[in-house]
Amino acid sequence: QQPVQSPQAVILREGEDAVINCSSSKALYSVHWYRQKHGEAPVFLMILLKGGEQKGHDKISASFNEKKQQSSLYLTASQLSYSGTYFCGTENPNNAGNMLTFGGGTRLMVKP
Amino acid sequence: NAGVTQTPKFRILKIGQSMTLQCTQDMNHNYMYWYRQDPGMGLKLIYYSVGAGITDKGEVPNGYNVSRSTTEDFPLRLELAAPSQTSVYFCASSYFSGRETQYFGPGTRLLVL
Repeated sequence: QQPVQSPQAVILREGEDAVINCSSSKALYSVHWYRQKHGEAPVFLMILLKGGEQKGHDKISASFNEKKQQSSLYLTASQLSYSGTYFCGTENPNNAGNMLTFGGGTRLMVKP
Repeated sequence: NAGVTQTPKFRILKIGQSMTLQCTQDMNHNYMYWYRQDPGMGLKLIYYSVGAGITDKGEVPNGYNVSRSTTEDFPLRLELAAPSQTSVYFCASSYFSGRETQYFGPGTRLLVL
């Protein structure tokens, strides 16, 4: 069963913040975040491993709550270049070969 | 490094036709994957390979076949194309496991009429 992402879509003004959530009904080993611009391939953002860690680079960070089986992606002081669709991919204990199951995506639009 | 390359970029097939989507990576990655992405949706895993000669089914394998005779190449075969196979197909690779960064190719857009 695929993870559930929320919200499905969000519109921001430049400089505003956003949070994207990814929830799984199963235990998580790791959560992966990707961004996809329209008509392009997904591009890796970050991986969070079991252990409840938080990661970040530049103004994009993420947290991983193992107990709640969820991860959140934080975009701070959004830029026009942040526009795109964000996907989380989850690795669950019964996924053969550490394969990922991707959520349905969150469409983010940043306006000037 | 070219990374992950896919051909063709776009193809129109008639119902019942067959075709092979090509995927090549030059990063010496062990793991390779095929995903499909339907309009406005997430990625669904079709097949994956953990090394040359080893492949396994993903979430949506019906109607597809794969082979992996070399580390670099992982072609996806569509037999008897159906309208439900209209989608964008992405090939990806990672070095040593599904838990690592996956590098995606540019995708093949397939339309079955």
